[in-house]
Amino acid sequence: GAVVSQHPSWVICKSGTSVKIECRSLDFQATTMFWYRQFPKQSLMLMATSNEGSKATYEQGVEKDKFLINHASLTLSTLTVTSAHPEDSSFYICSARDFGAGDGYNEQFFGPGTRLTVL
Amino acid sequence: GQNIDQPTEMTATEGAIVQINCTYQTSGFNGLFWYQQHAGEAPTFLSYNVLDGLEEKGRFSSFLSRSKGYSYLLLKELQMKDSASYLCAVKDSNYQLIWGAGTKLIIKP
Repeated sequence: GAVVSQHPSWVICKSGTSVKIECRSLDFQATTMFWYRQFPKQSLMLMATSNEGSKATYEQGVEKDKFLINHASLTLSTLTVTSAHPEDSSFYICSARDFGAGDGYNEQFFGPGTRLTVL
Repeated sequence: GQNIDQPTEMTATEGAIVQINCTYQTSGFNGLFWYQQHAGEAPTFLSYNVLDGLEEKGRFSSFLSRSKGYSYLLLKELQMKDSASYLCAVKDSNYQLIWGAGTKLIIKP
C-alpha cells in the first residue's frame, strides 16, 4: 500500500527557533499534500493544501508567513514553523493524495505525524 | 457552516458490539470516511461510503444515509486493541475533507 513518511517523529525546540518537518510519499507520486495540526483531544485541523510546483493554499486563520510550506517535488513537501512559540506545540500530520487515483476512495494517505514541543 | 457531530466518548465491553454515530451538514457531499486513530498516532483508513447502504469489512461495517445526513460505524466482537478514537470525515463539494472531533472508544474487559 501507499506509504507516507514524516521526519522527525518528534522534536523539542526553544522558543524563537524554526523547525522543519518533512513529508514524503515513498511509493507513489503525490501532486497534492495536506498539512494538519491536532491539539490534544481535538480533531484534525487542516492548515494548508500543498500542490507540487505551486504556492500552498492556506486555511483561514493560518499564518502563511509563520508556517512555510514547500512542495518542491512529487514526493516531498516540507512545513517550516518559523519563530516557534509554546502555543505552536502540537501534533502535525501530513497526508498525500495519490496522483494515480481518482477522487473518491481512500486516495489520501497519512504520515505518522510529528510531535512538536516548543519550550 | 459545515458541521460534523459525533459523540465525544463511548464505553463498551470486550466481545460486544458498539455503534458510533455521525451526523453531518456540509456544502455538498462526495463521500464519507471513517478513520481510526490511536493516541499519539496518525489516522488510519477504515471505510468509505458514497452511496446509501451498508459496507461490511470484517468486524467493521459502515452505514450511510445521504438523505438524513447520517452515518454509523459498527464494530463487532470488540477487542481491547479497538480502544481508539474514531473519526468521521466528509468530503464536501470542493473535495475537501471536513473532520469530526472524533469519538473516543474505551473497551473494558
